Amino acid sequence: AQKVTQAQTEISVVEKEDVTLDCVYETRDTTYYLFWYKQPPSGELVFLIRRNSFDEQNEISGRYSWNFQKSTSSFNFTITASQVVDSAVYFCALSERGNTPLVFGKGTRLSVIA
Amino acid sequence: EPEVTQTPSHQVTQMGQEVILRCVPISNHLYFYWYRQILGQKVEFLVSFYNNEISEKSEIFDDQFSVERPDGSNFTLKIRSTKLEDSAMYFCATGDRSTDTQYFGPGTRLTVL
Repeated sequence: AQKVTQAQTEISVVEKEDVTLDCVYETRDTTYYLFWYKQPPSGELVFLIRRNSFDEQNEISGRYSWNFQKSTSSFNFTITASQVVDSAVYFCALSERGNTPLVFGKGTRLSVIA
Repeated sequence: EPEVTQTPSHQVTQMGQEVILRCVPISNHLYFYWYRQILGQKVEFLVSFYNNEISEKSEIFDDQFSVERPDGSNFTLKIRSTKLEDSAMYFCATGDRSTDTQYFGPGTRLTVL
C-alpha cells in the first residue's frame, strides 16, 4: 500500500526565512510519481511539481527547490526567502504511475509572518 | 491557460437530498477524477474515469455515488441521498498522457444540513 507522511502539521516562520517542508513516502512500486500541491486560503489546489522515480535530480524553480532522495524515500520542499503569499497548506502526493489516483499526505500548514 | 472549472462553488442541501456536482475538464484531457476533502483534513480519492467508464474507485465511493460524462464535456458526480458526513470540499481533477499530472478545479463546497 502507498502512504505519504508529512510529519510537520504546522510551521510558522518570519518573512525572508528559509523553510523546508518534509515528505516521506512508502510504496512497493519501483516506478512512481511524486507531487507537491499548494492550497492557499482560497481553497484551490495548485500543482507545483511532479517528479518520477527515475529522476533523482533536484529541481529549483525561483525560490522553490525540491530534494528527492530515494535512499530515504523523501521528497522535501524548500522555500527560500519566504513571503507572506507563501502562506498556505502544502500537500505532498504519490501515484503509482501516470494518471492514477493520488495518495495525499495530511498537509503542512505554513504561516509566513511579516 | 486552460483550467478545470467546477459548479456550483457552494451547495447547501438537506440530508437525504440528491446533489449533482459538475466539472468541465481541460479540453484535451482524457482522465477524470473526483476527490474530497473534509474540512481540515487531507484530500481523499473517490473515483477515476477514463474512456467513459470508471477505472478505479475507493471505499468511500459506495452505491450512493455515481459519475458520468453526460454530454462529452461535463463530468458529473452525483450523490443520491446525502448524509451529514458527505459535507466536504469536492475537487474535480483532470489529466492527460503527455504530462501525467492531475490539474484540479477550484472545488465545490458541499454542506449537508
